[in-house]
Amino acid sequence: DTGVSQDPRHKITKRGQNVTFRCDPISEHNRLYWYRQTLGQGPEFLTYFQNEAQLEKSRLLSDRFSAERPKGSFSTLEIQRTEQGDSAMYLCASSLIQGTFYEQYFGPGTRLTVT
Amino acid sequence: AQSVTQLDSQVPVFEEAPVELRCNYSSSVSVYLFWYVQYPNQGLQLLLKYLSGSTLVESINGFEAEFNKSQTSFHLRKPSVHISDTAEYFCAVSVRGSYIPTFGRGTSLIVHP
Repeated sequence: DTGVSQDPRHKITKRGQNVTFRCDPISEHNRLYWYRQTLGQGPEFLTYFQNEAQLEKSRLLSDRFSAERPKGSFSTLEIQRTEQGDSAMYLCASSLIQGTFYEQYFGPGTRLTVT
Repeated sequence: AQSVTQLDSQVPVFEEAPVELRCNYSSSVSVYLFWYVQYPNQGLQLLLKYLSGSTLVESINGFEAEFNKSQTSFHLRKPSVHISDTAEYFCAVSVRGSYIPTFGRGTSLIVHP
């Protein structure tokens, strides 16, 4: 168990560019979640997958945000036409559906800076 | 919709002193309650949780929290803190049956020697 990993850890981009972040969950976990955390705030839920199915995406911040988990393993979060307001930490978490409680294990995050 | 309020953005305390981090929530339905901890340069970790049963829950490193339904609170306490407890602490709530938490803004616990 190597934990949840995220790549890159830091990304600096210019306004208007597209960015993509990757999340590798714990290998046997079937649920994967994306959150955004801005300075001074707690994580804000964006979307989640169960295996390859995206079960909730209404909380993605705009149509510039999209996420995929094509084979039910790793996931990508893409932000198109980035804006300065997109600057934040993007967190990924994964969990295993087992029993009555699904503990989420978080990755270290990807810090995005839009200049 | 549910929400969480952590009134204290920062709590400074001396080593070996007791500490309480406050958390209040609002929800129209039954909830699960959580405390997460984030050490510098690390991901969030679940510290403790209340799902049902005993209203007092404990973590392995000496923290405890008590669910108080009448006051809609879930305060986190530790009788004697260590330098290593310095971290950001997040209170979170989720609707029963949903494990997608709504987080508070966080409280930075700073333990001084």
